[in-house]
Amino acid sequence: DGGITQSPKYLFRKEGQNVTLSCEQNLNHDAMYWYRQDPGQGLRLIYYSQIVNDFQKGDIAEGYSVSREKKESFPLTVTSAQKNPTAFYLCASSILFGHNSPLHFGNGTRLTVT
Amino acid sequence: DAKTTQPNSMESNEEEPVHLPCNHSTISGTDYIHWYRQLPSQGPEYVIHGLTSNVNNRMASLAIAEDRKSSTLILHRATLRDAAVYYCILRDATGANNLFFGTGTRLTVIP
Repeated sequence: DGGITQSPKYLFRKEGQNVTLSCEQNLNHDAMYWYRQDPGQGLRLIYYSQIVNDFQKGDIAEGYSVSREKKESFPLTVTSAQKNPTAFYLCASSILFGHNSPLHFGNGTRLTVT
Repeated sequence: DAKTTQPNSMESNEEEPVHLPCNHSTISGTDYIHWYRQLPSQGPEYVIHGLTSNVNNRMASLAIAEDRKSSTLILHRATLRDAAVYYCILRDATGANNLFFGTGTRLTVIP
């Protein structure tokens, strides 16, 4: 079955360490996105990529970095510069970066930094 | 960026219809209205989207006001599995492509 896989489901890190969250899709979608969700809050956009080898900052990109070297992969690195990294991270994709393309989400990675 | 406003919570009895409202008074002419829902500890799931005309699919119906400043997601017969947080978002075709998700509406279905 086609879909988006985020791994791991739970991730624990010590403060000051960089950590990379994996996102893989086999839907052949051009666009991919990373969101962050805090308890009781909506989703905030971190980075998005319209096409391979391209990505743009979203609303809260500070302290994060991404790469898009392959169409199916869009890893997110949470750096030590991110002041409040503990959150639920969601990856999504869409066929095109267009307003008529629904987003398909993975089931998220819950990151805890202590 | 155009934003949406939704009630924080709603309740419905099982097997009854549910109408979830969304206000988007600053919507632009090219914005599509999308609805998603999210179960606890899962990623959001796409429900339906539309531009001007009402839309139906196997999950729900979307009723869009004539002036497009509001819309309503209609679940025809609520089931316990429909209990979730429902998000109404606008996706625009220009510039940064608004992908803002607010806090949504938490739907409780009463058996």
